[in-house]
Amino acid sequence: DGGITQSPKYLFRKEGQNVTLSCEQNLNHDAMYWYRQDPGQGLRLIYYSQIVNDFQKGDIAEGYSVSREKKESFPLTVTSAQKNPTAFYLCASSWGTNEKLFFGSGTQLSVL
Amino acid sequence: AQSVAQPEDQVNVAEGNPLTVKCTYSVSGNPYLFWYVQYPNRGLQFLLKYITGDNLVKGSYGFEAEFNKSQTSFHLKKPSALVSDSALYFCAGGNTGFQKLVFGTGTRLLVSP
Repeated sequence: DGGITQSPKYLFRKEGQNVTLSCEQNLNHDAMYWYRQDPGQGLRLIYYSQIVNDFQKGDIAEGYSVSREKKESFPLTVTSAQKNPTAFYLCASSWGTNEKLFFGSGTQLSVL
Repeated sequence: AQSVAQPEDQVNVAEGNPLTVKCTYSVSGNPYLFWYVQYPNRGLQFLLKYITGDNLVKGSYGFEAEFNKSQTSFHLKKPSALVSDSALYFCAGGNTGFQKLVFGTGTRLLVSP
């Protein structure tokens, strides 16, 4: 079954804790993306990667970090520097520029 | 800066009636535009895209969108709405050759039986 898998579905973060959201794709896509979704604000780009071992900051990268060691995987770490982490996080992938995005089912992150 | 606007937070339509969800864009150069749909607690699903060519773009589930360069609009339409079309719809855009898409704030479509 091809697609993008995000885990976990729900995640809770304690004060001062770093948490990592997983994103795996088996679509053989080169590009991968992380978006944050807040009610009434649409989707905002956190980080994106066009190729393995390379990634760029999006519009709201502060307090987040990523890695792209494998083509299939693009994990997102929400660090303690992100003071307002509660949101729905969406991972996506695509063949490349101008191509449609394939989205995972999302991870809801909340603060304890 | 590039931007995409969805002026309506919510659109209500009766089943069987035509529906329109509005989107306007501000993109330098040649725009490429998308519509996506999101069901509760799910990721977004692709509906259709415009890059070049015909101004009327046909997509999934009977949806279509009309690209209007003079009005910088890309409205989503469907001739006959279904209750199952009720969802959150996002317009997104960028310019050709530019990697990052900009998303609108979303429009909630409610189709009543």
